Amino acid sequence: AQKITQTQPGMFVQEKEAVTLDCTYDTSDQNYGLFWYKQPSSGEMIFLIYQGSYDEQNATEGRYSLNFQKARKSANLVISASQLGDSAMYFCAPLTQAGTALIFGKGTTLSVSS
Amino acid sequence: KAGVTQTPRYLIKTRGQQVTLSCSPISGHRSVSWYQQTPGQGLQFLFEYFSETQRNKGNFPGRFSGRQFSNSRSEMNVSTLELGDSALYLCASSGGQRSTNEKLFFGSGTQLSVL
Repeated sequence: AQKITQTQPGMFVQEKEAVTLDCTYDTSDQNYGLFWYKQPSSGEMIFLIYQGSYDEQNATEGRYSLNFQKARKSANLVISASQLGDSAMYFCAPLTQAGTALIFGKGTTLSVSS
Repeated sequence: KAGVTQTPRYLIKTRGQQVTLSCSPISGHRSVSWYQQTPGQGLQFLFEYFSETQRNKGNFPGRFSGRQFSNSRSEMNVSTLELGDSALYLCASSGGQRSTNEKLFFGSGTQLSVL
């Protein structure tokens, strides 16, 4: 069974600081995708960023970027210049085989203070 | 474009009852997936429907079932409710193309409490 590890149950940062949320996964597949989702207290899961295993560049989406290290099976999310609205749970989810379900890690709770 | 709509937002039921949750996907999306989220188990995949057929299934008992209609709307049913079924049930839609970059779009969920 696929294993996704998010080692940080909770992270605390101040506004405008950068923060890195860790994610490692266990797969022998060569072709896969990596997704990060944000879940605010409202409950809805919001897509943040995607990285393909064959993408040569690390993905970036505004203040979000991925530190993708394929050999280490690591896809850490970097949020630059944190904002209060970034306070939420963050989930990493690899999709290792087309047609299978997206399997989520346990998540990291990020708290941003002023 | 309207997002994924889940109804109701909150539900309170008692043990032994059954419940039906509804999900309307984004227009044009043909795949609907259901997830259960609890503090202890996290997000767990229930099943996926595509073109009215169950295409994928997680490891849940037969009390959990679903269906999809011709307009891609989906319902999930839980029979003989147990206390442990208390959870946030999330629905997600996608185009259903089965590619490794297929993004899921989620609804706000239905919070089910079983008393």
